[in-house]
Amino acid sequence: SQQGEEDPQALSIQEGENATMNCSYKTSINNLQWYRQNSGRGLVHLILIRSNEREKHSGRLRVTLDTSKKSSSLLITASRAADTASYFCATDLLLTQGGSEKLVFGKGTKLTVNP
Amino acid sequence: GAGVSQSPRYKVAKRGQDVALRCDPISGHVSLFWYQQALGQGPEFLTYFQNEAQLDKSGLPSDRFFAERPEGSVSTLKIQRTQQEDSAVYLCASSLGVKVSYEQYFGPGTRLTVT
Repeated sequence: SQQGEEDPQALSIQEGENATMNCSYKTSINNLQWYRQNSGRGLVHLILIRSNEREKHSGRLRVTLDTSKKSSSLLITASRAADTASYFCATDLLLTQGGSEKLVFGKGTKLTVNP
Repeated sequence: GAGVSQSPRYKVAKRGQDVALRCDPISGHVSLFWYQQALGQGPEFLTYFQNEAQLDKSGLPSDRFFAERPEGSVSTLKIQRTQQEDSAVYLCASSLGVKVSYEQYFGPGTRLTVT
């Protein structure tokens, strides 16, 4: 089962526009991460936001986290054709066995940036 | 430096065959994760190693799936008596720390097709 749900499932924009993707999750978390996946580079970590943080920036990326609503958003500003990829949110889930943790990924948002 | 590598990149197996998928993590990374990604879905956790210890295997779909990391570096995911539902991309990831709050570095994946 997947805890995170991204919205929208697919998004198509023109180069230079901003892209916003949302993620909702079900249980309490310690951290939320965003990953990007394209055919050329596989799955790549973009940014991590902790549960006590509300907003984080990294280059053209801005992530917000609202733990009361159990939701996060990823904003990509001034998009480029190279941003075309699937974007996944991933939340940590405490495993009872061994006390270890695992990441639970959503289904992803497929972003297409048209030149 | 070298990233996470996986081999083979593509594997076609006839139903009932056994397959072995290899993962070479980044040198020095303590944690190693295996994920299964079906078409159009996000990665789903299979199992987690901390050094050579398999701390959690709760995501393995059945007892036909077996993973090992005997010397705490290279890992092998073995699937016995493959079934069509095993067709997916199998991703391996490694991270420096033992918590999922550490960034995970993913390999390119092995695409398994069971005919």
